Amino acid sequence: GDSVTQMEGPVTLSEEAFLTINCTYTATGYPSLFWYVQYPGEGLQLLLKATKADDKGSNKGFEATYRKETTSFHLEKGSVQVSDSAVYFCALSGTASKLTFGTGTRLQVTL
Amino acid sequence: DAGVIQSPRHEVTEMGQEVTLRCKPISGHDYLFWYRQTMMRGLELLIYFNNNVPIDDSGMPEDRFSAKMPNASFSTLKIQPSEPRDSAVYFCASSLFSITDTQYFGPGTRLTVL
Repeated sequence: GDSVTQMEGPVTLSEEAFLTINCTYTATGYPSLFWYVQYPGEGLQLLLKATKADDKGSNKGFEATYRKETTSFHLEKGSVQVSDSAVYFCALSGTASKLTFGTGTRLQVTL
Repeated sequence: DAGVIQSPRHEVTEMGQEVTLRCKPISGHDYLFWYRQTMMRGLELLIYFNNNVPIDDSGMPEDRFSAKMPNASFSTLKIQPSEPRDSAVYFCASSLFSITDTQYFGPGTRLTVL
């Protein structure tokens, strides 16, 4: 069945550091891929998405490229801010006809 | 738009009591989802509706859980009787045209069963 594997957290970075959160997936066919973010005390909100191979999703300085050859969708940001502290979820929608979420990666950014 | 609205935001109850969680999706959205989030199991899809009809309830943990959507603007998730292991944050989400569209989440209901 469909599955998503994310790197374990928490990830702790200093402000302005480079961020990478790894995400790999298992799915048949051509799933759509998503990154959702959950700020403290809030629900999840879509950060970015990609619907086909080699697509790059981007938003608020975050980017992720749909790599079919490596079944990956890693999240990157060139310079993180304290306000980026949150939990990040990788997700896919494939043949299961629902969103399958990873376990989430907590990011903590310090001054 | 007000977004997805959930009530209550916090609920504390005793084991054995009935609990009802409420959700108002974004107007015009055809799909409504109920999720449960715990530290141990992460985010789990419990059930989802399309045009008020339950489509997939395979994630509902057991018969103590039930969900209804009597109209396009309201849904409930009921737990009867509640147990301590039901303690979690319950999210409602809605999407416009399909299950793979962007899902808009409510702020969640934090349920504590003593």
